[in-house]
Amino acid sequence: DIQMTQSPPSLSASVGDRVTITCRASQGISTWLVWYQQKPGKAPKSLIYAASSLQTGVPSRFSGSGSGTDFTLTISSLQPEDFATYYCQQHNSYPITFGQGTRLE
Amino acid sequence: EVQLVESGGALVQPGGSLRLTCAASGFTVSDHYLNWVRQAPGKGLEWVGRIRDKAHSYTTEYAASVKGRFTVSRDDSKTSLFLQMNSLRTEDTAVYYCAVLPLKGTPTAYWGQGTLVTVSS
Repeated sequence: DIQMTQSPPSLSASVGDRVTITCRASQGISTWLVWYQQKPGKAPKSLIYAASSLQTGVPSRFSGSGSGTDFTLTISSLQPEDFATYYCQQHNSYPITFGQGTRLE
Repeated sequence: EVQLVESGGALVQPGGSLRLTCAASGFTVSDHYLNWVRQAPGKGLEWVGRIRDKAHSYTTEYAASVKGRFTVSRDDSKTSLFLQMNSLRTEDTAVYYCAVLPLKGTPTAYWGQGTLVTVSS
């Protein structure tokens, strides 16, 4: 199985900050990586697919990069509604696996 | 409007069975692979299983933790997805989400709101 390791597990930031979350795969996954945002009591919402493509309707302050084993999610200027937990997910091979999450507070 | 509505969550004893249903609408359900993803209380996301579309013979994939105990099925005529869960364990306690996840070359992502399954004596 491909293990997805996110860092940091939690992150304290303020409105207006630039924030970067990293995700490392235990083996190469090309660009088959998705980033999700999840708020308490809600379903995850897809932000980025194919490592760097923005889902329709997602603000442009979100961006993704990387390929192979190392990926990043960047929020260029944190907004109040961005405080949530973020997950990466690989779909290069089965089983599909998620990172353990990064809580942004 | 895309909707995925899960139902069937309940309190069940260890060793018991439960069947979850996901009613999908607002998109061409038959064209998509459908997934179950779960989230234990206070924990992260865990993919449970997937069923492909008719063009791919409705074949399935499962996480090792549920293989042999859980079965994913679908009824495209009713635009519904199912999860039959047998031999339930306390560690199966979670919110179960029905989801369309991005595929290689296809960005589509839809999630339901989830249904809670509690396995406890």
